[in-house]
Amino acid sequence: KQEVTQIPAALSVPEGENLVLNCSFTDSAIYNLQWFRQDPGKGLTSLLLIQSSQREQTSGRLNASLDKSSGRSTLYIAASQPGDSATYLCAVHRANSKLTFGKGITLSVRP
Amino acid sequence: DAGVIQSPRHEVTEMGQEVTLRCKPISGHNSLFWYRQTMMRGLELLIYFNNNVPIDDSGMPEDRFSAKMPNASFSTLKIQPSEPRDSAVYFCASSRRRLAGGFFGELFFGEGSRLTVL
Repeated sequence: KQEVTQIPAALSVPEGENLVLNCSFTDSAIYNLQWFRQDPGKGLTSLLLIQSSQREQTSGRLNASLDKSSGRSTLYIAASQPGDSATYLCAVHRANSKLTFGKGITLSVRP
Repeated sequence: DAGVIQSPRHEVTEMGQEVTLRCKPISGHNSLFWYRQTMMRGLELLIYFNNNVPIDDSGMPEDRFSAKMPNASFSTLKIQPSEPRDSAVYFCASSRRRLAGGFFGELFFGEGSRLTVL
């Protein structure tokens, strides 16, 4: 059974700091990994999708990396802003099976 | 594109009543998912459809829950009878499933339906 872990559950940083959010998974036989953002009372917004054959994906100030062999992914946020405050979830997908989500990291960026 | 559309956004009902949640996936997506989110359990997959056919409903809690997808642009999740422990946010999501390899593309979520059962 695939398990996805995101630690810590919450993180508070000052504005402008570069930060890394971690995601670990137990089964390395994945097809892709997706990072989402969720604002309070809202749905999940897709940030980045990394296919199993890729090592990283970038979008603006966000960079996600994937290391299948070690069962880890990181989401790097450069020059954090108060608007980045949200919960960040990672999810992994294996062939023909369920997408498994972590419980998320709640990020607070202090002005 | 309008994105995944869910209704109602909020539903408050009394225990024992029937609840129907609705979802319109993104046009052209052939896979549809129903998730439930609670503080305690996080996001749980209830059921998913591929080309309108239910593929995996092992996440459906019990027989009180049922889901249908009569066509490519509409799905419902029904709870009958509802119970207080069903209170949660229910999300619908859709993606385009690639035929070769069978894996899913990027997943897009609706805004969710917040259900409160009194």
